[in-house]
Amino acid sequence: SQELEQSPQSLIVQEGKNLTINCTSSKTLYGLYWYKQKYGEGLIFLMMLQKGGEEKSHEKITAKLDEKKQQSSLHITASQPSHAGIYLCGADYNTDKLIFGTGTRLQVFP
Amino acid sequence: KAGVTQTPRYLIKTRGQQVTLSCSPISGHRSVSWYQQTPGQGLQFLFEYFSETQRNKGNFPGRFSGRQFSNSRSEMNVSTLELGDSALYLCASSSEGGADTQYFGPGTRLTVL
Repeated sequence: SQELEQSPQSLIVQEGKNLTINCTSSKTLYGLYWYKQKYGEGLIFLMMLQKGGEEKSHEKITAKLDEKKQQSSLHITASQPSHAGIYLCGADYNTDKLIFGTGTRLQVFP
Repeated sequence: KAGVTQTPRYLIKTRGQQVTLSCSPISGHRSVSWYQQTPGQGLQFLFEYFSETQRNKGNFPGRFSGRQFSNSRSEMNVSTLELGDSALYLCASSSEGGADTQYFGPGTRLTVL
């Protein structure tokens, strides 16, 4: 969706390196969801950030929502091969459905 | 709790045929949403059912339809299949629907020949 842009589209990092994925909205966000998808499989819920700006962490993944910029970032510390997959952000625009970004494909090599 | 299940996982059909996909939500969840995922268009919302009623609909032709049963299980039907309908079809369940946290099934990979 053009309302929601993810960057980069693709990322290749060496194991142990840190990385950041961004999700930028052209409209006001009421909430922002992060999901991870293994190729050809379903989406796994990672975390949800509330309108107003929020930061959450789970294991080595930290996500922030910047209300001023209408942007969310997902940061992975000390990446591992298990972090590989497609990361998707989903926006709540107060329309009773989620709009998803195009995804960021992450590859982690040893 | 068991997760969202979808059947079948893989399906091959020919143009003009119709197909029915099934989704069983997490126990206690009343909302089921359906999405189509393709490399070109990404993840696109098809429709949402809540307590047996269609509550929201995306921009897809009328060939795509769905329903929800009293036990919250949902089916999606695509009639007169086209090559462009080849995709991964995902369903997601949530407790309250709308933009509530959604939990996805593994998907059904549909190939139209």
